[in-house]
Amino acid sequence: KQEVTQIPAALSVPEGENLVLNCSFTDSAIYNLQWFRQDPGKGLTSLLLIQSSQREQTSGRLNASLDKSSGRSTLYIAASQPGDSATYLCAVRSLTSGTYKYIFGTGTRLKVLA
Amino acid sequence: EAGVAQSPRYKIIEKRQSVAFWCNPISGHATLYWYQQILGQGPKLLIQFQNNGVVDDSQLPKDRFSAERLKGVDSTLKIQPAKLEDSAVYLCASSLGLAGGNMGETQYFGPGTRLLVL
Repeated sequence: KQEVTQIPAALSVPEGENLVLNCSFTDSAIYNLQWFRQDPGKGLTSLLLIQSSQREQTSGRLNASLDKSSGRSTLYIAASQPGDSATYLCAVRSLTSGTYKYIFGTGTRLKVLA
Repeated sequence: EAGVAQSPRYKIIEKRQSVAFWCNPISGHATLYWYQQILGQGPKLLIQFQNNGVVDDSQLPKDRFSAERLKGVDSTLKIQPAKLEDSAVYLCASSLGLAGGNMGETQYFGPGTRLLVL
């Protein structure tokens, strides 16, 4: 059974700092991995999607890496800003009970202090 | 492009009552998902539709939850009767639905419906 863990659960950093969020999963047989952002009272916004054959994806100040063999992904945020404050969720798409579905981690709640 | 719409945004009911949520996906998206997100947890897939057919409902508590997607567009999720543990945010998402909805496409989420069962 696929399990997804995100560490730390919460993080508070000063503005301008570079930071890394971690995601680990127990079954390396994944189809892809997505990083999402969730703002309070709102739905999820997809940030980056990494296919199982890829090692990393970049979008602006965000860089996500994937190491399937070790069951890990990291989300790197460069030069953090107060607007980056949100909960960041990773989700792996795995074959579960006969169908592919996304299994989500519990998220990292990020606060960037001005 | 309009996003995924959900209503109501908030609902408070007493246990054993029934409740229904509505979702309108992005136009042209064939795949529609309903997720349950309990406070402090990640979303859990309840049901996935491809057009108006069910792809996966393995985690839907079918004794009390039901969902339909008539005409392959809008969808409703119903809980009857509600229990205290159903208190959560119910998220609807949609994706293009290429290859029968089983590809790793980007999902677009609605704002969610926050349900409180007293």
